Amino acid sequence: AQSVAQPEDQVNVAEGNPLTVKCTYSVSGNPYLFWYVQYPNRGLQFLLKYITGDNLVKGSYGFEAEFNKSQTSFHLKKPSALVSDSALYFCAVRETDSWGKLQFGAGTQVVVTP
Amino acid sequence: EADIYQTPRYLVIGTGKKITLECSQTMGHDKMYWYQQDPGMELHLIHYSYGVNSTEKGDLSSESTVSRIRTEHFPLTLESARPSHTSQYLCASSEQGAGELFFGEGSRLTVL
Repeated sequence: AQSVAQPEDQVNVAEGNPLTVKCTYSVSGNPYLFWYVQYPNRGLQFLLKYITGDNLVKGSYGFEAEFNKSQTSFHLKKPSALVSDSALYFCAVRETDSWGKLQFGAGTQVVVTP
Repeated sequence: EADIYQTPRYLVIGTGKKITLECSQTMGHDKMYWYQQDPGMELHLIHYSYGVNSTEKGDLSSESTVSRIRTEHFPLTLESARPSHTSQYLCASSEQGAGELFFGEGSRLTVL
């Protein structure tokens, strides 16, 4: 069985400061890992994914995430947050031998203050 | 920009009505999904399809039904809506393999 945990319901950060959104996962095999962002009254937008290779993955809007197999983590990071980054962020995982069914975390609300 | 469309975006209906939420994608993806997103923000998979004439129930039990007669179209139907069906419904599609999901804008359903 696969599962995802996002331990923080909300992350507050001042504009210009680094932003980190935490995600840990559990799978029985090798994982595919994803980050999505959701703005109010919108669908989810894909940010980045880890499939294989380099543990540091770069994605859209200046976001990046680091895959850490020993800690089973895939934290999302941005060096300098913008007010427009305020949104709901979802981490998702699926096993490489499954058939596309993503398991989503509960979501983390990011609030960036000016 | 993803080419997946959901209609209606917002729907308010009375109890007992039959409703169909439409979802169409122009990317030729074989896999399509319906997620229900509750007010607490979590996403729950309620239906998925691996191709034409393939439909499966997801992890969350739902009274809705789906059909997949054409690759591009994956409608969701509620035969008799109840207030407990009030939620946001998100449709998504993906390629085979490690492809990410592309989501529509969602259909927010309110049943009075």
